[in-house]
Amino acid sequence: GAVVSQHPSWVICKSGTSVKIECRSLDFQATTMFWYRQFPKQSLMLMATSNEGSKATYEQGVEKDKFLINHASLTLSTLTVTSAHPEDSSFYICSARVPLAGVGEQFFGPGTRLTVL
Amino acid sequence: AQSVTQPDIHITVSEGASLELRCNYSYGATPYLFWYVQSPGQGLQLLLKYFSGDTLVQGIKGFEAEFKRSQSSFNLRKPSVHWSDAAEYFCAVGASGGGADGLTFGKGTHLIIQP
Repeated sequence: GAVVSQHPSWVICKSGTSVKIECRSLDFQATTMFWYRQFPKQSLMLMATSNEGSKATYEQGVEKDKFLINHASLTLSTLTVTSAHPEDSSFYICSARVPLAGVGEQFFGPGTRLTVL
Repeated sequence: AQSVTQPDIHITVSEGASLELRCNYSYGATPYLFWYVQSPGQGLQLLLKYFSGDTLVQGIKGFEAEFKRSQSSFNLRKPSVHWSDAAEYFCAVGASGGGADGLTFGKGTHLIIQP
């Protein structure tokens, strides 16, 4: 099956620093990837849609200057949390749409736990 | 705007007993519905999905779900649970079956299996 990886799996950083999270499709090319945020004991909230070669589309309420998304290749999308603060601490999950796969099907990465001190 | 409600935050079931997890959705058109399972340290895994056709959908690991338009529900069922089914379960709705849009998730139901 389609495999999506994320790196790192967890990261701790100081307030004010920037953190980059990578999302890779390992055995397929993904023209569209999605970034979600999950708070403890909460649902996944869609942050943005990342399309290869074009600007990401952000959901309402998501700061595009805070969460920079780059989808420079068909197998890699990155999420950079800029000037991170403790309130940015969360679980970040990416997913990728598999071309020609079952309608609407997305494959999810294992997630990245971000803790901002 | 679309939304998903999972009324049960926690459910405890004895091993071998039957299971039903509830999901209600709100969406203006025909919904594309999904059930995912999330285990610690692993990504979300798709259990089953509904787009059209037969309203009873079979999935992996012995799960099934039934789409009831009149009740705006898409409940997940399993006739006999195993200890390995303990996990977090999410119901989700998509606006586009082609996967061009992200999914809207419910808050999840934490399933506990008693020996």
